Amino acid sequence: DTAVSQTPKYLVTQMGNDKSIKCEQNLGHDTMYWYKQDSKKFLKIMFSYNNKELIINETVPNRFSPKSPDKAHLNLHINSLELGDSAVYFCASSQRGGSYEQYFGPGTRLTVT
Amino acid sequence: AQSVTQLGSHVSVSEGALVLLRCNYSSSVPPYLFWYVQYPNQGLQLLLKYTSAATLVKGINGFEAEFKKSETSFHLTKPSAHMSDAAEYFCAVSDTEYGNKLVFGAGTILRVKS
Repeated sequence: DTAVSQTPKYLVTQMGNDKSIKCEQNLGHDTMYWYKQDSKKFLKIMFSYNNKELIINETVPNRFSPKSPDKAHLNLHINSLELGDSAVYFCASSQRGGSYEQYFGPGTRLTVT
Repeated sequence: AQSVTQLGSHVSVSEGALVLLRCNYSSSVPPYLFWYVQYPNQGLQLLLKYTSAATLVKGINGFEAEFKKSETSFHLTKPSAHMSDAAEYFCAVSDTEYGNKLVFGAGTILRVKS
C-alpha cells in the first residue's frame, strides 16, 4: 500500500494556466505538508496543515492555495502559472511534533512552458 | 531559526570504501535531526533520525550517524559503500517554532565507483 500518494506525477502546462496537484496519505497522520524542490534540488517548506488547519504558510505567492478537505488529503492549486513555478512538488505527512519523521510522496514534476 | 549546512555537494568513493557525509546544524534548542536519501526521480526516504536518545543512531541500509553537540554535527557514515548507495542525501533539522517543518541542507550527491 502506498503511504503518501500524489497525482499527477508529471504535469506539463503553459504559462497562465491553472493547475492542481492532489495528495493523499493512508498513515493516519494528522499533519500534512507541501515542499518545493527547485532545479538545484533545494527543498523548502511551502505549507503545513494540522487537522485541516493551516499552521505554516511560508513566503509563497498567493497564486498558490492549499486546501485540506480532511486529515488524509492536502491539495495544491496554482493559479496563473509562471515559468519560475517549474519544480518538483512533494507532499509529506507526519504526526504533529518535531521528533516525528515526515513521510514523503513520490513528487509531482511541474514544467511550465 | 534552525539551519543545516552540508559540506561537499559531491562525494565520490570506491565500492567497499567508507562513506562519510557531513552535516552541521544550527539550533537554539535541542535539535531533532534527520537524514533522508533521494534516488533519481523518486521521493525522499528516511535513513535515520536523532531525537535526543542515543547519540549514535543506526538507520537502514547499514548507515549510521553520530550526534555531537560540541561540534554541532550529525555526520552520516557507512563502513562499506555499495553501488546501490549512489543517490543524493539530505540532512534536515526540525524547526518547531511555528508548527513543524523540516529545514533541509543543500544535499550531497554520493557517487560510488566500481
